[in-house]
Amino acid sequence: GAVVSQHPSRVICKSGTSVKIECRSLDFQATTMFWYRQFPKQSLMLMATSNEGSKATYEQGVEKDKFLINHASLTLSTLTVTSAHPEDSSFYICSATSGTDTQYFGPGTRLTVL
Amino acid sequence: AQSVTQLDSQVPVFEEAPVELRCNYSSSVSVYLFWYVQYPNQGLQLLLKYLSGSTLVKGINGFEAEFNKSQTSFHLRKPSVHISDTAEYFCAVSDGRAQKLVFGQGTRLTINP
Repeated sequence: GAVVSQHPSRVICKSGTSVKIECRSLDFQATTMFWYRQFPKQSLMLMATSNEGSKATYEQGVEKDKFLINHASLTLSTLTVTSAHPEDSSFYICSATSGTDTQYFGPGTRLTVL
Repeated sequence: AQSVTQLDSQVPVFEEAPVELRCNYSSSVSVYLFWYVQYPNQGLQLLLKYLSGSTLVKGINGFEAEFNKSQTSFHLRKPSVHISDTAEYFCAVSDGRAQKLVFGQGTRLTINP
């Protein structure tokens, strides 16, 4: 149980385009989902927290207009990187919780912006 | 504010040897503590967690960790490692209420034959 999927697993896009990443909880209802960013050989940095049906809460320094988060249902959250630039290239990981004490992580999405 | 320090960025160990990955935390409130493992180009998998109760926590793949409140530590141990344990290990802390996780910098465990 507690499986989280992400799609796509990797994406390459041109600078200036937008990219959408999906995060799904497959066997439980996720009241809260989290989006993280991980640079090579570094730890995970929380970008934002999203609750179903509410606006996401962004961490300090994260541009809400650039990283659009939607949590429209209890099993799906999306992260859209708008007008992507090479510096946005990174590994993006989502996690989900059903309101318990544990976050379950997706497999991650490798974004490369050319 | 909470913080987590993983004292070793890299730990090389020979196969079948014991290993300890160190983790210290700071927090002004009660904490939940976690260890996650990350294999290359993958997400994080929960190894074990401490919420309350017994300070010795057993997890998957033969790992265990001990919560030591006086030393604010939550070190991860395994008595005999395998090649397949080669991965990045992250210690994390949460105050539970906000469910936000604060991660340590990670420890790369390399198992040599």
